[in-house]
Amino acid sequence: DVKVTQSSRYLVKRTGEKVFLECVQDMDHENMFWYRQDPGLGLRLIYFSYDVKMKEKGDIPEGYSVSREKKERFSLILESASTNQTSMYLCASSPSADRVRTEAFFGQGTRLTVV
Amino acid sequence: KQEVTQIPAALSVPEGENLVLNCSFTDSAIYNLQWFRQDPGKGLTSLLLIQSSQREQTSGRLNASLDKSSGRSTLYIAASQPGDSATYLCAVQLASEKLVFGKGTKLTVNP
Repeated sequence: DVKVTQSSRYLVKRTGEKVFLECVQDMDHENMFWYRQDPGLGLRLIYFSYDVKMKEKGDIPEGYSVSREKKERFSLILESASTNQTSMYLCASSPSADRVRTEAFFGQGTRLTVV
Repeated sequence: KQEVTQIPAALSVPEGENLVLNCSFTDSAIYNLQWFRQDPGKGLTSLLLIQSSQREQTSGRLNASLDKSSGRSTLYIAASQPGDSATYLCAVQLASEKLVFGKGTKLTVNP
């Protein structure tokens, strides 16, 4: 069974803290994504990675960084958490577009609250 | 820039009704289109994937179609049930490997 696993369902952090959100997939997918989801704004892409150690900025990368040292793991880092980063964070993975079947799968989401 | 639009934003129907959700995209250069379901506070569950060379896919009571030339996809749900209540999102995959999402249609099926 396909799985994308996010390390936490709920997190509460203080303003200014460095926050790590971890995501692991077991499908040998090349692509991994981090989105945030806010009411009325839909899913917005923060960063994605198409290979180990490769990353590209999405639509809203400010205040975030990412790390992909191994193919199965993609980490999102909030360098100095702020209250406007309170949101639902969703990780996804997909095979590269040259594969036969390119279905994307999502983790269960992490609800982050910054106080 | 690819934009994905879903209409309507919300839909309420009585149980048993057949319904259609719409998704449109501005650039036909896509690799695939995928429909997802999201329950409140949860992640996204994949429902159907249509590769760019395909016209439709079916799974149980769900049928999704794709017309690349017109930039449209529809998700047809037959004989709707209260358990179908959720937000339905469509997403297109681009040559850059990015996934671009619509904002979703919130479906409520009333018993």
